[in-house]
Amino acid sequence: AQKITQTQPGMFVQEKEAVTLDCTYDTSDQSYGLFWYKQPSSGEMIFLIYQGSYDEQNATEGRYSLNFQKARKSANLVISASQLGDSAMYFCAMRDHTGFQKLVFGTGTRLLVSP
Amino acid sequence: DAGVIQSPRHEVTEMGQEVTLRCKPISGHDYLFWYRQTMMRGLELLIYFNNNVPIDDSGMPEDRFSAKMPNASFSTLKIQPSEPRDSAVYFCASSSYRPGQGAGSPLHFGNGTRLTVT
Repeated sequence: AQKITQTQPGMFVQEKEAVTLDCTYDTSDQSYGLFWYKQPSSGEMIFLIYQGSYDEQNATEGRYSLNFQKARKSANLVISASQLGDSAMYFCAMRDHTGFQKLVFGTGTRLLVSP
Repeated sequence: DAGVIQSPRHEVTEMGQEVTLRCKPISGHDYLFWYRQTMMRGLELLIYFNNNVPIDDSGMPEDRFSAKMPNASFSTLKIQPSEPRDSAVYFCASSSYRPGQGAGSPLHFGNGTRLTVT
């Protein structure tokens, strides 16, 4: 069965610094996808970045990058040059072929960016 | 391009009443998902549809919950009768799948419906 683990309930970072949010996953499938979503206090779920299991390069989207370590089954989100607007909940999620199209989400990490 | 549209944004109802949540997916998306978010259980998948057909409803908590998708542009999630423990934020999301895309199509979420059952 798919499983996503986010072990950091909360993280603090100062503005302009980089921060890494951890995510580990468990699947027996060889083909799967990993996603990160941001949920600000307003409540909407915003898609940030995607990494496929066969992708050789780590995914990047602007200030977001995904540190994908397949052997360790980890897919950590790195936010560079943090901004106050990055304060939010961040969810890691996974899709594999056993789950067809559904995403399974982790419990989330609350990030607080301070001035 | 309009995103996923959910209504209402907020719903307050009394225990025992029927509640209907509505969702309009992104045009052209062939998958529709209903998730529930609570502090205790996080984001849980309730049910999802492919081409208007329910594929997996194993997350629906009990018979009080039902979901329908009568056409490609509309879905409802109904709770009857509602109970205080149903209080949560209910999200609808949609996605599209294309051959060769693998596992890569993200889910696009609506803004959610915050349900409070007193």
